[in-house]
Amino acid sequence: KQEVTQIPAALSVPEGENLVLNCSFTDSAIYNLQWFRQDPGKGLTSLLLIQSSQREQTSGRLNASLDKSSGRSTLYIAASQPGDSATYLCAVKDSGYSTLTFGKGTMLLVSP
Amino acid sequence: DAGVIQSPRHEVTEMGQEVTLRCKPISGHNSLFWYRQTMMRGLELLIYFNNNVPIDDSGMPEDRFSAKMPNASFSTLKIQPSEPRDSAVYFCASSFGRRDEKLFFGSGTQLSVL
Repeated sequence: KQEVTQIPAALSVPEGENLVLNCSFTDSAIYNLQWFRQDPGKGLTSLLLIQSSQREQTSGRLNASLDKSSGRSTLYIAASQPGDSATYLCAVKDSGYSTLTFGKGTMLLVSP
Repeated sequence: DAGVIQSPRHEVTEMGQEVTLRCKPISGHNSLFWYRQTMMRGLELLIYFNNNVPIDDSGMPEDRFSAKMPNASFSTLKIQPSEPRDSAVYFCASSFGRRDEKLFFGSGTQLSVL
């Protein structure tokens, strides 16, 4: 059974800092991996999706990388802003017809 | 589009009462998912439907939980009888097609069972 782990559980940084969030998964034979953002009291919003054949995806200040062989993904946030404060979750899909397995997330606080 | 709409936003009930959570998926989406989120267990898939048919309900905790999708624009998740350990945030999400990975989430229902 696929398990997804995110470390650290919480992270606090000053505004302007570049940061990396980590995600690891136990079964490397994945279909794709997705990063979500969750604001307090809200649902999840998809940020980036990486197919198993890809190594990275970029959107603005966000860059997600995937290393299938080691079972790891990172989400890099450049020049962090207070508006980036949220919980970031990664989720993996094991096959085209399976559902997503989520990590528990990393709670990020960016202070002004 | 208004996105995935869930109601109610908050529900407080007493142990033993029936609870019904509602979801309206995004128009045109044919897959619907019910998730439960707690601090201890994170986000767990309860059940998902494709074209209104339940495909995988292995995440439904026990017989007290049931879900229906009578048509493409409406789904319910019912708990009867409710217990304090059911307290959590329940999310509904929808997508277009089983292989499509982009999920759109509703804002959730915060359920408190006293």
